[in-house]
Amino acid sequence: GESVGLHLPTLSVQEGDNSIINCAYSNSASDYFIWYKQESGKGPQFIIDIRSNMDKRQGQRVTVLLNKTVKHLSLQIAATQPGDSAVYFCAVLDSGGGADGLTFGKGTHLIIQP
Amino acid sequence: DTGVSQNPRHKITKRGQNVTFRCDPISEHNRLYWYRQTLGQGPEFLTYFQNEAQLEKSRLLSDRFSAERPKGSFSTLEIQRTEQGDSAMYLCASSFGQGPETQYFGPGTRLLVL
Repeated sequence: GESVGLHLPTLSVQEGDNSIINCAYSNSASDYFIWYKQESGKGPQFIIDIRSNMDKRQGQRVTVLLNKTVKHLSLQIAATQPGDSAVYFCAVLDSGGGADGLTFGKGTHLIIQP
Repeated sequence: DTGVSQNPRHKITKRGQNVTFRCDPISEHNRLYWYRQTLGQGPEFLTYFQNEAQLEKSRLLSDRFSAERPKGSFSTLEIQRTEQGDSAMYLCASSFGQGPETQYFGPGTRLLVL
């Protein structure tokens, strides 16, 4: 089955710096990838997604990069703000595998230093 | 608020009791998902519905768990004869479409089994 790995459980950055959160996945058939943000006591909040036919997608202050060759996904947050403090999860899906449940990584806790 | 809603937000029960949680998806979303999240981990997929049909169940969904979506709108998740290991956050998500689309999560129901 699919497994989604974590590179760093915690990432501490200075306010205003850029943050990069990484994720690795195991199933080469995975074709849909999502980043979620989860604040304490709340459900995951959608940030950005990307499909396997793309290698980069940009949103407001966020960019997702997909490297299918090495099965690696990253989330870049520009000009990190205090409100960005949260746990960030990557989630992947193999839509052709007959299963529509997302497989999540363990998450990276992003800490913003003032 | 037109997001996914879940009730109750918190539930404390004694081992052996039955509990039922409710999820109201985003209006017109045809797909509804249940996930479970334990402390420090990412959400784990349990089951999902397309309209009223339950299309997939994870092996995590033991015989004590049952989910319904009788009219293709709200869904309930029941746990019978609760065990301490059932203590977790139960998350509901919904999406619209036939393929891999963004799943939007509710705030979750936190269950504590004593």
